[in-house]
Amino acid sequence: GQQLNQSPQSMFIQEGEDVSMNCTSSSIFNTWLWYKQDPGEGPVLLIALYKAGELTSNGRLTAQFGITRKDSFLNISASIPSDVGIYFCAGLNQGGKLIFGQGTELSVKP
Amino acid sequence: GAVVSQHPSWVICKSGTSVKIECRSLDFQATTMFWYRQFPKQSLMLMATSNEGSKATYEQGVEKDKFLINHASLTLSTLTVTSAHPEDSSFYICSARDGQGAWELFFGEGSRLTVL
Repeated sequence: GQQLNQSPQSMFIQEGEDVSMNCTSSSIFNTWLWYKQDPGEGPVLLIALYKAGELTSNGRLTAQFGITRKDSFLNISASIPSDVGIYFCAGLNQGGKLIFGQGTELSVKP
Repeated sequence: GAVVSQHPSWVICKSGTSVKIECRSLDFQATTMFWYRQFPKQSLMLMATSNEGSKATYEQGVEKDKFLINHASLTLSTLTVTSAHPEDSSFYICSARDGQGAWELFFGEGSRLTVL
């Protein structure tokens, strides 16, 4: 089945540092999404990518959709304590279903 | 943005009992809702697609008699975990798509089930 491989699995950084995480897939997705999940809550959409090669920003977040539509990265600049959480990439398949990556757990030390 | 609400947010039950979790779209009509299951430190795994007025479509490996889904109205889908066992303890999350044809999915807050 379709799978998304996300790395790294976890990150421990100092406040103010930049963060980068990525996601790859063996399948092509037409829409690629990045979510953040806080403990005990549902995921919240951060960025949506629609076009191959697209680079999109949302505040301190930047994400790019790979040319092949099989990969994406998410960068967070100047991290702050509230960036703590689990970040998921997700691909929207042609059946309208979201396939999630394994998640990257981010810890920020003040 | 659109709001999806789940109830209860957490529930503890005894082994062998059944538990119902509700998922409501508060300000839009959702012809399609999705149910996910998430174990600690793991990803969200799609369990089933809930379609208003018709039977749910279950993902491979998900027991439909174990996890009963009912989508009786355009704003409500329910997931019933029947004869719950400790291994059913998990975080259950629903999402809903606005029936206007948009792709975006809106997620509920999740419901944590603990089976003793």
